[in-house]
Amino acid sequence: SQTIHQWPATLVQPVGSPLSLECTVEGTSNPNLYWYRQAAGRGLQLLFYSIGIDQISSEVPQNLSASRPQDRQFILSSKKLLLSDSGFYLCAWTWTGGANSPLHFGNGTRLTVT
Amino acid sequence: AQKITQTQPGMFVQEKEAVTLDCTYDTSDPSYGLFWYKQPSSGEMIFLIYQGSYDQQNATEGRYSLNFQKARKSANLVISASQLGDSAMYFCAMREGRATDSWGKLQFGAGTQVVVTP
Repeated sequence: SQTIHQWPATLVQPVGSPLSLECTVEGTSNPNLYWYRQAAGRGLQLLFYSIGIDQISSEVPQNLSASRPQDRQFILSSKKLLLSDSGFYLCAWTWTGGANSPLHFGNGTRLTVT
Repeated sequence: AQKITQTQPGMFVQEKEAVTLDCTYDTSDPSYGLFWYKQPSSGEMIFLIYQGSYDQQNATEGRYSLNFQKARKSANLVISASQLGDSAMYFCAMREGRATDSWGKLQFGAGTQVVVTP
């Protein structure tokens, strides 16, 4: 069966510090991968999605970036965090080409920028 | 423009009663899929049910059913016989076009907070 791992679970970082959130998927190959952000009490905003290694698209311009160094690894980074980067970050995967395939989410990372 | 609208920010429901969560969507694409997710206070996103735009019948999964009214562009979630464990945030989401067109992306509504009371 497929599993998705996301870490760390919580993170408190000062403004201006770097960020690296990691997500890995097991039990499948060539998944589509996604990073979403959820502000407190709000819906999910798509940040990045990837259909393959080094194939990453950004949905919103900001000081975050994403990389996919391996087929089942997706990393969210920032060189300098802003207060507005605080939120709940969720990594997700789905089958490539499956119209009815739901996104399967990791447990998320609660990021607080102080 | 907002593609998914959930107009109920919060709802209270008594245990064992049914509850309907509203969701309307906006798309000009004839091919799309609608999804519902549950998010407990722990934060995990749990997939509940899926409805395709070409599906003739309303989707059902256990106590969850989807009231799909295509002409009205609504996809309301019905939870029957509510349980205390159903207390959570519920999100409606849409995937437009074929998966290869949209790259599987889902657009989410703002969510509805459901509280089930004894």
